[in-house]
Amino acid sequence: DQQVKQNSPSLSVQEGRISILNCDYTNSMFDYFLWYKKYPAEGPTFLISISSIKDKNEDGRFTVFLNKSAKHLSLHIVPSQPGDSAVYFCAASEGDSSYKLIFGSGTRLLVRP
Amino acid sequence: DAGVIQSPRHEVTEMGQEVTLRCKPISGHNSLFWYRQTMMRGLELLIYFNNNVPIDDSGMPEDRFSAKMPNASFSTLKIQPSEPRDSAVYFCASSPDGQGFYGYTFGSGTRLTVV
Repeated sequence: DQQVKQNSPSLSVQEGRISILNCDYTNSMFDYFLWYKKYPAEGPTFLISISSIKDKNEDGRFTVFLNKSAKHLSLHIVPSQPGDSAVYFCAASEGDSSYKLIFGSGTRLLVRP
Repeated sequence: DAGVIQSPRHEVTEMGQEVTLRCKPISGHNSLFWYRQTMMRGLELLIYFNNNVPIDDSGMPEDRFSAKMPNASFSTLKIQPSEPRDSAVYFCASSPDGQGFYGYTFGSGTRLTVV
């Protein structure tokens, strides 16, 4: 049973436009959420995170939104750049097991020049 | 900072053989994680060490898998005997405090193919 779901396996966006990547979760005990970016032949790299006590966190071009009632989070990238083309994973952790990240299956983003 | 270093980058082995994957975490990080990525199951935690002690090995698939951390700068993941279904990318990651809040630092992974 997947606790973290990324239902869109791929997304294509024009350079300069907004990219919106979505993630849903089922475990209401999750209290911390993260986004990772992964390039081919590399490990995932941490991008941005958000605590369940917030509904928005912003870092430069990247903003994560959390809707707890809908058990949904999204990552907005504005403006999108070709270098943003990668696989994006959302992940979640729960309280006492905060070391254990549960990952979604990933969304491949392609930013077209 | 060289990051998390994994070796080998690629490993091809025959079914039944022993496979050993190696990891050097970032100096000063007290937590180390082994993750596996497959098409079917995505990224899943295999085992978590804190201060060289295994804390959570509930993700280790079966007795064929074992992991050790003899010191703060080295860990191994061993599969004996290996099977074709073990084919995957194995990632090692480390963090300074064992908390997921600021993310882990992952290595580049070892792509294992068992034929």
